[in-house]
Amino acid sequence: SQTIHQWPATLVQPVGSPLSLECTVEGTSNPNLYWYRQAAGRGLQLLFYSVGIGQISSEVPQNLSASRPQDRQFILSSKKLLLSDSGFYLCAWSATSTNYGYTFGSGTRLTVV
Amino acid sequence: AQKVTQAQTEISVVEKEDVTLDCVYETRDTTYYLFWYKQPPSGELVFLIRRNSFDEQNEISGRYSWNFQKSTSSFNFTITASQVVDSAVYFCALTPNDYKLSFGAGTTVTVRA
Repeated sequence: SQTIHQWPATLVQPVGSPLSLECTVEGTSNPNLYWYRQAAGRGLQLLFYSVGIGQISSEVPQNLSASRPQDRQFILSSKKLLLSDSGFYLCAWSATSTNYGYTFGSGTRLTVV
Repeated sequence: AQKVTQAQTEISVVEKEDVTLDCVYETRDTTYYLFWYKQPPSGELVFLIRRNSFDEQNEISGRYSWNFQKSTSSFNFTITASQVVDSAVYFCALTPNDYKLSFGAGTTVTVRA
């Protein structure tokens, strides 16, 4: 069966520090991968998605970036965090066709102080 | 472009009351898929149901039921005899079977004992 792992679960970082969140999927190959952010009390905002190694599409311009160095690994990064980067970050995967929806990771709660 | 609207921001009920969550969607595609996800306080999104645009048969699963009406572009969700464990944020989502899932803003359900 397929599983998705996301870490760390919580993170407190000072403004201006770098960020690296990692997500890995097991039990499937060539998944579509996604990073979402959920600000406090708000809905889900798609940040990046990837349909293959090295292929990244950005939905929202910001100081975050994403990379997919391996088929089942998706990394969210920032060189310098802003206070507004605080939120709940969710990684998800789907099959090539999204008609079965997404499977989400357990999320990372990031607080920038 | 796809759009999902969940007009209800918050719903508060007493245990054993029924709760109906509204979802209205917009799409130009003739083939599409609709979803409901549940986000408990732990944060992880849990898949509840998937429905394709050709299947308007309503479904009941335990205390959950769904009412899909293509004519009004609505995909409503009802929890019968609510329980405290049903307290969560519920998201409606839509995909035309491409890479991306569009989510509504979510409805926060609070069930009081």
